[in-house]
Amino acid sequence: LAKTTQPISMDSYEGQEVNITCSHNNIATNDYITWYQQFPSQGPRFIIQGYKTKVTNEVASLFIPADRKSSTLSLPRVSLSDTAVYYCLVGAGRDSSGDKLTFGTGTRLAVRP
Amino acid sequence: NAGVMQNPRHLVRRRGQEARLRCSPMKGHSHVYWYRQLPEEGLKFMVYLQKENIIDESGMPKERFSAEFPKEGPSILRIQQVVRGDSAAYFCASSPRGPGETQYFGPGTRLLVL
Repeated sequence: LAKTTQPISMDSYEGQEVNITCSHNNIATNDYITWYQQFPSQGPRFIIQGYKTKVTNEVASLFIPADRKSSTLSLPRVSLSDTAVYYCLVGAGRDSSGDKLTFGTGTRLAVRP
Repeated sequence: NAGVMQNPRHLVRRRGQEARLRCSPMKGHSHVYWYRQLPEEGLKFMVYLQKENIIDESGMPKERFSAEFPKEGPSILRIQQVVRGDSAAYFCASSPRGPGETQYFGPGTRLLVL
């Protein structure tokens, strides 16, 4: 049973860099790691996806060590609007089963002025 | 390019009634996923469908719940004889290919059972 573990909550201040780490010890060879952001009363929104090493896009970076048993979402210079719940999801391609598609409780990030 | 659409956004039902939730995937997406989210909890996978086929329904309760994704029209999640415990937000997502692809989520349907 694939499982991810994240901190329940984090606090930060505007302009700081925030790093959220997700543990996924049972990650399979063909699993990708995807992070989503969810605001209250909205559906999750894709942030970034990666398989290994480092991936960067216009909103975030994703760091994945060689053993792939964890990953870190890095949000540079957060603003108040980044206050949300962040979910780490580990899942494969065609062979994904339902348990891998279940999001954990996520990390509730609160950004303060 | 419209995103994933769900309707209704809010649905109120009395115990014993039926609830029908609709999901129109993004254009070009043939894979649809349904999730349920209780307050202060993460999303729980229910079912994964591809056009006219149920691929994985391991997260669906065995009774009262069913889902379909016909050749034409939206995907429908149907809950018969609703109970108070069915009150939750139901999210639909779609992807162009399988579950490993990025999923694009709709705004959700909030079901309240009185």
